[in-house]
Amino acid sequence: NAGVTQTPKFRILKIGQSMTLQCAQDMNHNYMYWYRQDPGMGLKLIYYSVGAGITDKGEVPNGYNVSRSTTEDFPLRLELAAPSQTSVYFCASRNRGLISGNTIYFGEGSWLTVV
Amino acid sequence: GQQLNQSPQSMFIQEGEDVSMNCTSSSIFNTWLWYKQDPGEGPVLLIALYKAGELTSNGRLTAQFGITRKDSFLNISASIPSDVGIYFCAGQLYSGAGSYQLTFGKGTKLSVIP
Repeated sequence: NAGVTQTPKFRILKIGQSMTLQCAQDMNHNYMYWYRQDPGMGLKLIYYSVGAGITDKGEVPNGYNVSRSTTEDFPLRLELAAPSQTSVYFCASRNRGLISGNTIYFGEGSWLTVV
Repeated sequence: GQQLNQSPQSMFIQEGEDVSMNCTSSSIFNTWLWYKQDPGEGPVLLIALYKAGELTSNGRLTAQFGITRKDSFLNISASIPSDVGIYFCAGQLYSGAGSYQLTFGKGTKLSVIP
């Protein structure tokens, strides 16, 4: 059971370059999320999706874009990389529902450095 | 957005000691979650709490959902070296139309001295 899979694990970008962080989950979860984690800080929500075709901004969406063409995949796009986007990025997913057991699962993270 | 105050920010303890950390908020949550993050890894869920006053254990870990729904604590008993890592609390609030807001604390970095 793969769970939430993120690629790449590590990447160095030059200022102004573009790249896409891939995220896939095999748990048939409706909700998917992208967080960034800066040193000494908690996780901040960038974008989220409640289902295929639906995305919405989180707390820190500037400089990023997402798409959700399938239930399984939720890629995060950086169009013009800036040093402020140096961070660790985590993708996460959860199922829909209000009852207990509805918890969020994280990928292993993608370490991005912009130089 | 909602803010969570997690404390302590870091702690050094001797192997075998008990550990306690907590999170407080000015707002209520429907769910409290505690995660552990090992170096170079993503957060992994330790305990989830769904009702005010709930006390839940998972091995040497015990967590409680505060009565006021604005706080939670995590205790680790008889710490061992593999407990090293960063522990995050997270409060979750159902905001309607199937949408949840999840707010994370800044983490407690735990170091265990053998």
